[in-house]
Amino acid sequence: QKEVEQDPGPLSVPEGAIVSLNCTYSNSAFQYFMWYRQYSRKGPELLMYTYSSGNKEDGRFTAQVDKSSKYISLFIRDSQPSDSATYLCAMSANSGAGSYQLTFGKGTKLSVIP
Amino acid sequence: EPEVTQTPSHQVTQMGQEVILRCVPISNHLYFYWYRQILGQKVEFLVSFYNNEISEKSEIFDDQFSVERPDGSNFTLKIRSTKLEDSAMYFCASSDPGDYGYTFGSGTRLTVV
Repeated sequence: QKEVEQDPGPLSVPEGAIVSLNCTYSNSAFQYFMWYRQYSRKGPELLMYTYSSGNKEDGRFTAQVDKSSKYISLFIRDSQPSDSATYLCAMSANSGAGSYQLTFGKGTKLSVIP
Repeated sequence: EPEVTQTPSHQVTQMGQEVILRCVPISNHLYFYWYRQILGQKVEFLVSFYNNEISEKSEIFDDQFSVERPDGSNFTLKIRSTKLEDSAMYFCASSDPGDYGYTFGSGTRLTVV
């Protein structure tokens, strides 16, 4: 069983739509959950991170974590063409080594059509 | 905004050759990382580095790989004898202590022919 699973899409939505992106995971030790956005041939850019279960909101973006279901989501409200990118979920357990190894999903490619 | 800088952006090398990928992390960050992304695949952890030594490494990071912080600003990844399967985007990242949100560089695309 893969540690982090993410539907690669592609996902195409009209401008203004609400977008829902999801990941599931199998490792119960994961405590920190992140969403990154990656444009073509660029490095991942951190959008949001959350610790343990719950919701976190930042502007048009909301991240949700359900540790009981091992399921995380990213919602994008009022989606814009500039949101078109690949969205990567990433997770980390506290390694205790002082640095934090991230385990990524494969990424979901999103296109927002004007 | 501070950024992680990687050079070169694209490198082509022949199989069996040594390559060095270079990174300048954010100046006040203490943790440094290398990740790679084979085309169409996940971003994968290679190694983390702190206080001039490796903190963690993955199974991918075998004896062909090494990292170094030769001075106060650069962080390098060396692949001693490149293989075709080393072709990938290599990302450098850095972070503050306790910061789970890395800052990634734009990557070096390594093509082994």
